[in-house]
This record gives sequence, structure tokens and C-alpha cells, in this order.
Amino acid sequence: KNEVEQSPQNLTAQEGEFITINCSYSVGISALHWLQQHPGGGIVSLFMLSSGKKKHGRLIATINIQEKHSSLHITASHPRDSAVYICAVRGYGGSQGNLIFGKGTKLSVKP
Amino acid sequence: NAGVTQTPKFQVLKTGQSMTLQCAQDMNHNSMYWYRQDPGMGLRLIYYSASEGTTDKGEVPNGYNVSRLNKREFSLRLESAAPSQTSVYFCASTFTETQYFGPGTRLLVL
Repeated sequence: KNEVEQSPQNLTAQEGEFITINCSYSVGISALHWLQQHPGGGIVSLFMLSSGKKKHGRLIATINIQEKHSSLHITASHPRDSAVYICAVRGYGGSQGNLIFGKGTKLSVKP
Repeated sequence: NAGVTQTPKFQVLKTGQSMTLQCAQDMNHNSMYWYRQDPGMGLRLIYYSASEGTTDKGEVPNGYNVSRLNKREFSLRLESAAPSQTSVYFCASTFTETQYFGPGTRLLVL
């Protein structure tokens, strides 16, 4: 069983829809990251969470430590949001980049 | 600032050949990392360097060596390439938990 599971694997939405991507993990963590991988391959960091909720523009990330679950929400989705969204966790005592990555959720937003 | 740069962008090797993937960052970060990304799998850590002069193995270090030449540069060497090392390789650096990734090197081993 993978230590970090994302769902769904693939997601197609219409422009303007509210999108939710889920991440569940099975290990104790000190931090959870959401990353975005563009169609060209570049990867950017979106959020780092250790508790609660963070918001940046149309993106909202939440984490429930007790349930070992995080969600990434995109409001008013746009075709430029089309990308692979990756969840990654850092276990206790691990270095900042020693992350366990999910396989990613491929999002396609149609105009 | 260029951020994290990687060279080459693309490389084709024959089995048994050697090569070095170069990575540099101009953000004065202490920690640097090498990951590989394969289809259907998440990114996996190959090696990391918490600071200049130190390196540690990650999840999949076999077949690779690294050098932290100075604070800016962290290279990954394949001494004898194998088809199983066909992958996309990403270098990254971190600062206060934020990851900064390079553009990736696509490697094909025939």
C-alpha cells in the first residue's frame, strides 16, 4: 500500500467549476506539501501545511491531522489550472526535502 | 535570479556509458536534493545534501553518486548507465520548507 494516496487520479472539469483533490497518508507527518506540475514538466510548490487551512488566490488547502487527510480546492477553475497536482508528506525527523510523494492527480479544465 | 538550473535538458546514453547531471541554485540555500520521476510513480528521492560537504542516501540511491561541490552546485553521476535509469531527473533546493525545483533532465538509456 502506498503511504500517500491521491484521488482522483484523473479529473476533467468545465471552466468555472469548484474542484477538490484529495490526499490521504498512512504515516505520522510533520508537514504536507501540495505541488503543481505544469504540462511542460516544471514543478512549483503551492502550499506547505502542518495544520489547519491555507489560501492563496483561488487555491485553498486544508489538512486534518487526526484523519490523516488533506484536500486541495480550486475555486472558479480555469483552463490554465490544467496540470498535475502532487501531494507529498514529510515524516517525523525527516529533512525538509526527504518527502514521500503521491502519484499525482491530473486535472484538465475545459473552456 | 535564475533559481535552480539543470543541465542538460535531454540526454540519450547507451547502456554502460557514464554521465553527470549538473544542478546549481543561486538562492543561497543549504539543502539540495535529487529526485527521479517515472511514469505511474511519484517522485522518489535519490540523494540529498543538507549542507555543503554532506550528502545522504534517499530512497533509490543504487547506481548513482553525488557531489556537493560547493553551496551552489550539486551534481548527480551515473557511472554505468542502465535502461532502468531512464527517467526524468529533478534537482531541488529548499528554504523554510518551500521546495524550489529545477526544470528537469530527461534521460533515455538505450
